[in-house]
Amino acid sequence: QKEVEQNSGPLSVPEGAIASLNCTYSDRGSQSFFWYRQYSGKSPELIMSIYSNGDKEDGRFTAQLNKASQYVSLLIRDSQPSDSATYLCAVRPNQGGKLIFGQGTELSVKP
Amino acid sequence: GAVVSQHPSWVICKSGTSVKIECRSLDFQATTMFWYRQFPKQSLMLMATSNEGSKATYEQGVEKDKFLINHASLTLSTLTVTSAHPEDSSFYICSANTQGASNQPQHFGDGTRLSIL
Repeated sequence: QKEVEQNSGPLSVPEGAIASLNCTYSDRGSQSFFWYRQYSGKSPELIMSIYSNGDKEDGRFTAQLNKASQYVSLLIRDSQPSDSATYLCAVRPNQGGKLIFGQGTELSVKP
Repeated sequence: GAVVSQHPSWVICKSGTSVKIECRSLDFQATTMFWYRQFPKQSLMLMATSNEGSKATYEQGVEKDKFLINHASLTLSTLTVTSAHPEDSSFYICSANTQGASNQPQHFGDGTRLSIL
């Protein structure tokens, strides 16, 4: 079992719809969770960080964390073509340690 | 805040050349920096963790004599690809943690695209 798993996609949604990206992790002791967006040919950029169970909202983005189910998700409301990118889920098992990345989910928002 | 600068952004060179890539934290001190490699259509692969003032920790399968890492100050880490060959062509990206903020996200540089002819 991979440490951090994501569906590779591509996930295709129409413009204006909600895009739902999912991620599961294997280390139950993980404390920090991050979503990064990576455009083709570019380096990752941080979208959201979440540390506690529940929802965290920032503009059109909502991160959801369920530590009991070892599950973290990212919702993108009112999806725009500019949201088309690969979304990377990253988990830090221990404080200060390295991040473990999922393989990324490719999102395509169709006009 | 938390800006990471990486240089150069693009390198094209002949096989056998050694290439040095710099990673700087511009507005914070980074005791730890990370070096990743990414091949097309694949996810990030951690190569090594660079610690200021000590030897880097390499991931399994990464040749430490091939990929030399130096982290001489709290704001600069370098990766040198020695005697590069075409199979070393890839996208190399560094990232850094903010000093003293062990649960904070990593901030990435813009990456270096290395092409070996």
